[in-house]
Amino acid sequence: AQTVTQSQPEMSVQEAETVTLSCTYDTSESDYYLFWYKQPPSRQMILVIRQEAYKQQNATENRFSVNFQKAAKSFSLKISDSQLGDAAMYFCAYRSPQNAGNMLTFGGGTRLMVKP
Amino acid sequence: NAGVTQTPKFRVLKTGQSMTLLCAQDMNHEYMYWYRQDPGMGLRLIHYSVGEGTTAKGEVPDGYNVSRLKKQNFLLGLESAAPSQTSVYFCASSSGGTRNQPQHFGDGTRLSIL
Repeated sequence: AQTVTQSQPEMSVQEAETVTLSCTYDTSESDYYLFWYKQPPSRQMILVIRQEAYKQQNATENRFSVNFQKAAKSFSLKISDSQLGDAAMYFCAYRSPQNAGNMLTFGGGTRLMVKP
Repeated sequence: NAGVTQTPKFRVLKTGQSMTLLCAQDMNHEYMYWYRQDPGMGLRLIHYSVGEGTTAKGEVPDGYNVSRLKKQNFLLGLESAAPSQTSVYFCASSSGGTRNQPQHFGDGTRLSIL
């Protein structure tokens, strides 16, 4: 079974600066999908960004980008120009193409605090 | 623009009581999921469904049952609630087509078992 590890329980960043959240995963598969979800205090789970393992190009969505290192099994999230609204829990998730239900395996999360 | 709707949003139960959590989605999604989220942990899959009339066990299914009688609804039942089931429960759905399709989540149900 795949496992997802987020080694930083908490991170803080100054408003307008850049922060990188780490995620590593364990898998023997060569094809898979990776996601970052944001959970603000409102408790909603919001998709931030996704990456297909077969794509070498790192995904970007506005101020959010990933550094996908397939050989190292690493999938970090970079947030540029941090804003107060970025404060939230961030979860990394893995999806195997092999399971019939397209289930996600989540990491334990990183709490991001943004200082004004 | 409802998306995924969970009811109720909060509930307090006594040990041994039963209850059903309702999840409804209006996106015509095939796949639906129930997760639980405990403090300091990520979401863990309880049960899931890949279509109307089908259900399957996830990572932590013990103590829960589910039903998917209608495509848009996915019910999670606790037959005899235990304090260990105190958690926040999330329902999600996805189209189930290409596997890069994201899951869409409800706002969660906070359940406390006394």
